[in-house]
This record gives sequence, C-alpha cells and structure tokens, in this order.
Amino acid sequence: TQLLEQSPQFLSIQEGENLTVYCNSSSVFSSLQWYRQEPGEGPVLLVTVVTGGEVKKLKRLTFQFGDARKDSSLHITAAQPGDTGLYLCAPGEGNTPLVFGKGTRLSVIA
Amino acid sequence: GAGVSQTPSNKVTEKGKYVELRCDPISGHTALYWYRQSLGQGPEFLIYFQGTGAADDSGLPNDRFFAVRPEGSVSTLKIQRTERGDSAVYLCASSLLGGTGANVLTFGAGSRLTVL
Repeated sequence: TQLLEQSPQFLSIQEGENLTVYCNSSSVFSSLQWYRQEPGEGPVLLVTVVTGGEVKKLKRLTFQFGDARKDSSLHITAAQPGDTGLYLCAPGEGNTPLVFGKGTRLSVIA
Repeated sequence: GAGVSQTPSNKVTEKGKYVELRCDPISGHTALYWYRQSLGQGPEFLIYFQGTGAADDSGLPNDRFFAVRPEGSVSTLKIQRTERGDSAVYLCASSLLGGTGANVLTFGAGSRLTVL
C-alpha cells in the first residue's frame, strides 16, 4: 500500500487569501490525481499530473508534480468560498484501485 | 445513466440488522469500486470489480461485508449484523479500464449509513 501524507489536515482562511496544500509520499508514482469533495457529494477529479516537474493550471488552482514524482502541491490563488471542500490526492496507477490520502479540509470564509 | 447513482442516500438501521446498498454505475464502465468514508477522513478502499468478478476485495474489513455485481453493471454492498462502527458514508465509483494512463474514477454521492 502506498502511503500518502496530506498536509495540512485542516485549513481555514479568509476569502481572497492564497494557500498551498501538499501531498507527499516515499514512493514514486507514474501519475497522481487530485480530487475535491464537497459536503454531501462524492469526490470529483480536478487534475491528473503525469510528468515529473509538471505544472497544470485550472483557473485559480495550480498543481505541481515533484521532479522525483513522489510529491505534489496544490496552490489556490485568491480563494473563494466555493473552494471550500476536502482536497484528496491519490496515485493514478493504471488499473489498480485508487488509495486516497486523508485529505486537506479547506474552509474559505467570506 | 449520466452519472453514478447510489441508493438509498440515507439509511438508518439498528445494531444487528442487515443492510443492502445499491450502486448503478455509468453505462459502459467496466470497473466498479466501493469505498467507505468516515467523518473527517478520506475514502477507504473496500472492494473493486472488473466486470462481474471481484478483482480485489482486500479492503473489506471482515466477513460481515460482501458485495456482488452479477451482471457486470449494478452492484450491491451487503452488510450483515451491522455494528455502530459501520456507520459511515459508503461511496461507489466506476471507471473505464483497459486503456493506458491513469485510472479516473467517477463517484456517486454516497449512501450515508447510520447504525443506532
């Protein structure tokens, strides 16, 4: 089992602030996925990063895959209340079932 | 259907009772997954199916939990002699398998189980 550590576990910020959350492991992954889960819903895929050092942007969200493909970060610029949710990472290892980290629970206060 | 459908959305039962949770995956998705999510935690893998067979059931916590997918589409998660510790949200997801690249899951909204 690939152990993923996500940090911080909880984050509460004011609207308009920037933040970064992290997903770390001692294992090397061929790819890594980020999901966001809103209350009462299932997780929804945000992005898949594949190449070491890759940076992907999704509006105000910037995802980076570490050069060694062991870690990833998600940076949110000018956070909005709609960004509130549980952010989960998981290695996207081919056909095997996804094993999620415990997630970072983000609360953006208006 | 357009998405993954799970029923019931909420289930309250008494300790010791039997419960069935149903998942209707996206049409054509060959893989189906069950996860359990406790309050404040990430989803915990239970079992996944490729077609009709369970490809990996290593996440089932004990023999009170069982899942079937008899026709390779709809799946039912069955919990016998429920315990209070079984209270959680049970998430189902489906995906297309067989291609290259990462395995992208589409989740349902979950079934919230409360055991009194």
